[in-house]
Amino acid sequence: QKEVEQNSGPLSVPEGAIASLNCTYSDRGSQSFFWYRQYSGKSPELIMFIYSNGDKEDGRFTAQLNKASQYVSLLIRDSQPSDSATYLCAVKNQAGTALIFGKGTTLSVSS
Amino acid sequence: NAGVTQTPKFQVLKTGQSMTLQCAQDMNHNSMYWYRQDPGMGLRLIYYSASEGTTDKGEVPNGYNVSRLNKREFSLRLESAAPSQTSVYFCASSVGPTEDTQYFGPGTRLTVL
Repeated sequence: QKEVEQNSGPLSVPEGAIASLNCTYSDRGSQSFFWYRQYSGKSPELIMFIYSNGDKEDGRFTAQLNKASQYVSLLIRDSQPSDSATYLCAVKNQAGTALIFGKGTTLSVSS
Repeated sequence: NAGVTQTPKFQVLKTGQSMTLQCAQDMNHNSMYWYRQDPGMGLRLIYYSASEGTTDKGEVPNGYNVSRLNKREFSLRLESAAPSQTSVYFCASSVGPTEDTQYFGPGTRLTVL
């Protein structure tokens, strides 16, 4: 069974700080990696995806991928209370047909 | 453009009852998915349809059936509901099976007593 692991949290950071969310995956053949944000009672929405080793930046968000270590992370700079949500890491299976989700990390940003 | 819609939003069933969850998308996507989300368990794939006319099992298919009615609609049926099927059900769609962005519907909260 392919697995995606995340710390459940909660991860608490003050407003303006950097929030660091981490994810490890077991399938070494995985090629595509995703971060979804889910507000309480709402559906998941895609924040970023990353395919290549290294960093990918989009506004205040940076995704980092290290395939050798099977590790994906999401950094949120200048965290805002509106960033308070559960962040889901997802990895596409080797067949490329389905996403495997981690259990999510709950982030709380205090003002 | 409504995106992905799901009906109903909430449902309470008794053990042994059957029901069908409906999902529709208006984005002309080829692939559609059904997930369930339980506290502490994350999202788990029940079934998916890579294209119209095809369906495949996901991680947790037992107790469910699906129908890809046409390109727009993908329904999930519980033939004999069990308390273990109490969950939030999300439908999602993507352009194709290998396209990466999945768009999620608002979810159906199902309680089986």
